[in-house]
Amino acid sequence: IAGITQAPTSQILAAGRRMTLRCTQDMRHNAMYWYRQDLGLGLRLIHYSNTAGTTGKGEVPDGYSVSRANTDDFPLTLASAVPSQTSVYFCASSSTSGSTDTQYFGPGTRLTVL
Amino acid sequence: GQNIDQPTEMTATEGAIVQINCTYQTSGFNGLFWYQQHAGEAPTFLSYNVLDGLEEKGRFSSFLSRSKGYSYLLLKELQMKDSASYLCAVSNGDYKLSFGAGTTVTVRA
Repeated sequence: IAGITQAPTSQILAAGRRMTLRCTQDMRHNAMYWYRQDLGLGLRLIHYSNTAGTTGKGEVPDGYSVSRANTDDFPLTLASAVPSQTSVYFCASSSTSGSTDTQYFGPGTRLTVL
Repeated sequence: GQNIDQPTEMTATEGAIVQINCTYQTSGFNGLFWYQQHAGEAPTFLSYNVLDGLEEKGRFSSFLSRSKGYSYLLLKELQMKDSASYLCAVSNGDYKLSFGAGTTVTVRA
C-alpha cells in the first residue's frame, strides 16, 4: 500500500508559469488537504476537500485552485506562479473530516519559483 | 484567529528526557495532535488528546489541559533517531488543523 503519493518531488519554475502538483491516495479516504510549509511559519492549510466533488478554502488560498473529481486524486494548480509561492507543499488525507481523524501526509513537493 | 506557540529549538542528551510545551488560543477546540517530522520528510502522527490528562504511548507521552490552553509532549529515554521537528496542531471549531511552527529537537551523544 503506497498511502499518499505526490508528484513531482521537486520543481523549479519560472514566474508566471502554470503548474499542477499531483496528489493521489489509495486509502479510500474521504477528506484531503493541501498545505504549504515555510520556515518559521509551520504548515498552513491552502485548500481542502471533505469528500469527492466538494472543495473549500483554507488559511492561504489565494493564487491556488483545486479540484476533486474522484476520491483518490486532489491536484493543486498554481495558475500563474509567483516567487512567494516558493515552498514545500504537502498533501494529506484523513478517513473523514472529523476532529478525531488522523491526517496522513504525502512526501511533499519542493517548489522553487524564480 | 489561531495562535499556537511552541519553542523553536531544544537540545538534549541521549538517554535523557525532554518536554516540549505548546500553548494555544484557537476559535473552537476539537482536540490536539502531535506530529514528528524528520528533516526532508513528511510529518507522521504521534498522539491525539481531546480530554484533559496524560496519554502514554511507549517512550512518548502527551498531556492536555483545556482550561489552560496547554499541552506538552514528553520524550523519554531519548535516542539519536528522535532528532526531528515536533509539530503541535489544534483541531479548531471547523475541524481543520492549525499548526504551530514546530520545535526542532537535537539529541546529542
